Amino acid sequence: DQQVKQNSPSLSVQEGRISILNCDYTNSMFDYFLWYKKYPAEGPTFLISISSIKDKNEDGRFTVFLNKSAKHLSLHIVPSQPGDSAVYFCAASKDSGYALNFGKGTSLLVTP
Amino acid sequence: DAGVTQSPTHLIKTRGQQVTLRCSPKSGHDTVSWYQQALGQGPQFIFQYYEEEERQRGNFPDRFSGHQFPNYSSELNVNALLLGDSALYLCASSLPTGLETQYFGPGTRLLVL
Repeated sequence: DQQVKQNSPSLSVQEGRISILNCDYTNSMFDYFLWYKKYPAEGPTFLISISSIKDKNEDGRFTVFLNKSAKHLSLHIVPSQPGDSAVYFCAASKDSGYALNFGKGTSLLVTP
Repeated sequence: DAGVTQSPTHLIKTRGQQVTLRCSPKSGHDTVSWYQQALGQGPQFIFQYYEEEERQRGNFPDRFSGHQFPNYSSELNVNALLLGDSALYLCASSLPTGLETQYFGPGTRLLVL
């Protein structure tokens, strides 16, 4: 049973524009959420996280928004750059030290 | 400073065989987690090792077992391989708390024929 869902397998955005990647979860016990970025032939790389006590976390061009009532989070990348082209995974955990539950990923393509 | 390393990078086995995958954590990390990523899917948690013991386990059969050594490196063993075990196996190391400190290795690609 997929507890973390990324319903858009792919997204194409022009350079300089905003990229918005969405993620939904079903388990109300999740209290820690992360986004990972993955290039081919590499392992996932941590990007940004948010705990359930917050509704927004920002780090440079990356902002994650959390809507607990809707069990939804999103990653905003502004402005998008060609180097951002990668697969982005949303992940959730019941505790900051334990197992990650991943979505299937969204492949982002940023075109010049 | 070397990150997480995994060996081998690729492996081909036949059904029924056994396989051992290896992982060396990032320097300073003492917790190792293993994930299986099937084609087109996100990584799925197999288990986590801390202080040489399995701390948490995902929904994987007993054919999947692991070990952590005193130097914090880890092995993943899979017995009686099935075609469905073909996947990318990812190792991640971290401190005991703080998932944002979790670093993933490049993975071992296992193909079962």
